[in-house]
Order: sequence, then structure tokens, then C-alpha cells
Amino acid sequence: GAVVSQHPSRVICKSGTSVKIECRSLDFQATTMFWYRQFPKQSLMLMATSNEGSKATYEQGVEKDKFLINHASLTLSTLTVTSAHPEDSSFYICSATRVIDEQYFGPGTRLTVT
Amino acid sequence: KQEVTQIPAALSVPEGENLVLNCSFTDSAIYNLQWFRQDPGKGLTSLLLIQSSQREQTSGRLNASLDKSSGRSTLYIAASQPGDSATYLCAGLQGGSEKLVFGKGTKLTVNP
Repeated sequence: GAVVSQHPSRVICKSGTSVKIECRSLDFQATTMFWYRQFPKQSLMLMATSNEGSKATYEQGVEKDKFLINHASLTLSTLTVTSAHPEDSSFYICSATRVIDEQYFGPGTRLTVT
Repeated sequence: KQEVTQIPAALSVPEGENLVLNCSFTDSAIYNLQWFRQDPGKGLTSLLLIQSSQREQTSGRLNASLDKSSGRSTLYIAASQPGDSATYLCAGLQGGSEKLVFGKGTKLTVNP
């Protein structure tokens, strides 16, 4: 149990367009979902924390108007990268908590902005 | 602010060797520590979770220890196999927080 999926696994988009990434907890209800980004050879950096039905909490330096997070249900959170630019190209990973202290991670989404 | 450091950044060993990966953290007020495996271009697979009240956890050939007083955790891999080749990440959950702080990882290569 505790499976988290992400869709799409890879996406290529043109500069200036928006891209939506979905994160789903498949077999449990997630109290909280997290969004991370990972640059090559770097560690995961937390972008934001979201709870169902409330506004996401963004980490310092993350533009909330650029990275829109919607947590519509206990099993689905979406990250929309608006007006994407090449520097937004990265690996985006979500995680979800079932109990308060363990996070279960999705397989990640590779975003390439051309 | 919690900082997590992993040494070495990369490690190459012959198949069959026992090895230790190191993780250190700056703030001992850590709620738990988790070890993950990441294959290239993939997400994270949780390997072991050590609660603050525990000293170690074991799963198969893997054993992880936690010493809060010294700010260290180790991941011991016994009888390494080529399939163990991956990047291993440790992450600490701060007490009173939901945020995991990750190290940069150790890239392990096990040569046949």
C-alpha cells in the first residue's frame, strides 16, 4: 500500500506555455502533499506543502504565482507551472503523507521547456 | 536550520563488498530519519525509516542506524550486488515540522 502516482512522467513544452502535473495517492487518503524539484546532481528541494481544501504554503524563494498548487481532494494535488521558461526545466516530485511522519513519493515528472 | 550532509558523494565497490554510507545532520532535534534509493530519472523508494526513539532499523541486507547525540546516521549494505547501484539519499524530519530535509546523496556503483 501507500502508492503515489504522477502524471505525466515526461513533458516537453514551449517557453511561455503552462504545464499541469498531477499527483495522486492511489490507495490512501493523504493528509498533506508536498512538491519538490530536483536539478541534476542536486538534492530534492521542497517547493510547497499543500493540505486539502486550503492554500498551499510555499518555501522561501518559490514564486506562488508561477507555481500554482491546487489540492482539490484527499487523493489529488496538481502543480501548474505557468509561463514556463527554460530555467524551469527540472525533475518535479510529489509526496504524500498517510501518517504524520512518513512521506511516500511519486515517480517524478521530467519537465523540459524549449 | 537543519542541514544534511552525505559523504562520500560517490562510491564504487566490487560486488560482494560490505559498505557504509554516511549521513550527518546539524540539528539533533530530529523527529525521524529516512533513507531512500533513487535510480536515474526515477522517483524515490523508501528503504528504512528510523524514529527518534529508535537506534536502528533493518531490512534484508540493509541496516540503518541513528545517533542523535552525534548527529549521524549510517546505512550499511551487506554483500553488495550490481542491482544496488543507485543514488542513496538520507532525509531528516524536524520535530514539530512536516518538512523533510534531504542530503545531496551518495551515488553508489557496484561493479560485477
